[in-house]
Amino acid sequence: GDSVTQMEGPVTLSEEAFLTINCTYTATGYPSLFWYVQYPGEGLQLLLKATKADDKGSNKGFEATYRKETTSFHLEKGSVQVSDSAVYFCALSPYTGANSKLTFGKGITLSVRP
Amino acid sequence: DVKVTQSSRYLVKRTGEKVFLECVQDMDHENMFWYRQDPGLGLRLIYFSYDVKMKEKGDIPEGYSVSREKKERFSLILESASTNQTSMYLCASSFGTGRGAGANVLTFGAGSRLTVL
Repeated sequence: GDSVTQMEGPVTLSEEAFLTINCTYTATGYPSLFWYVQYPGEGLQLLLKATKADDKGSNKGFEATYRKETTSFHLEKGSVQVSDSAVYFCALSPYTGANSKLTFGKGITLSVRP
Repeated sequence: DVKVTQSSRYLVKRTGEKVFLECVQDMDHENMFWYRQDPGLGLRLIYFSYDVKMKEKGDIPEGYSVSREKKERFSLILESASTNQTSMYLCASSFGTGRGAGANVLTFGAGSRLTVL
């Protein structure tokens, strides 16, 4: 079945540091790929998505590129801020599915120090 | 602003009690989902529904049931709560069915944290 693997956490960075969070997936066909973010005390919200190979999703300074050859969708940001402290989830949804049922990774907690 | 509203943010119940978690969305979405979130396990799908009165099991349906009598409302029911159902429960909804609907974004509620004593 479909699965998503995220790097182990938590991750602690200083403000303005470079961020990479690794995500790899296993799926048949051409899934859509997502990064969701959960700020403290809130539900999840979409950060960015990509729906086909070589697409780059971007939002709020974060980027991720859909790499079919390596089955990866790594999240990057050039300069993190304290306000980026949150839990980040990588997820996929099968394109051929009749609905947008997501399979999530385990999530990784990011803490950014001033 | 579009919303998914979960009726209770925090609940404390006793083992064996029947528990109802309610979720309402105001976006006329076809699909609704219940996930549970546990540390180190991420989000796991319990049940989902793609139409009124329709339901499908997710990855961990045991011990749960659902009800969708109206398009905007999706209820999660714990018939006899147990301590291993202590968790954060997240409701979500999305637009569209059919091929390509997998590209559509889920909108999540703020979550219901259930403690079973």
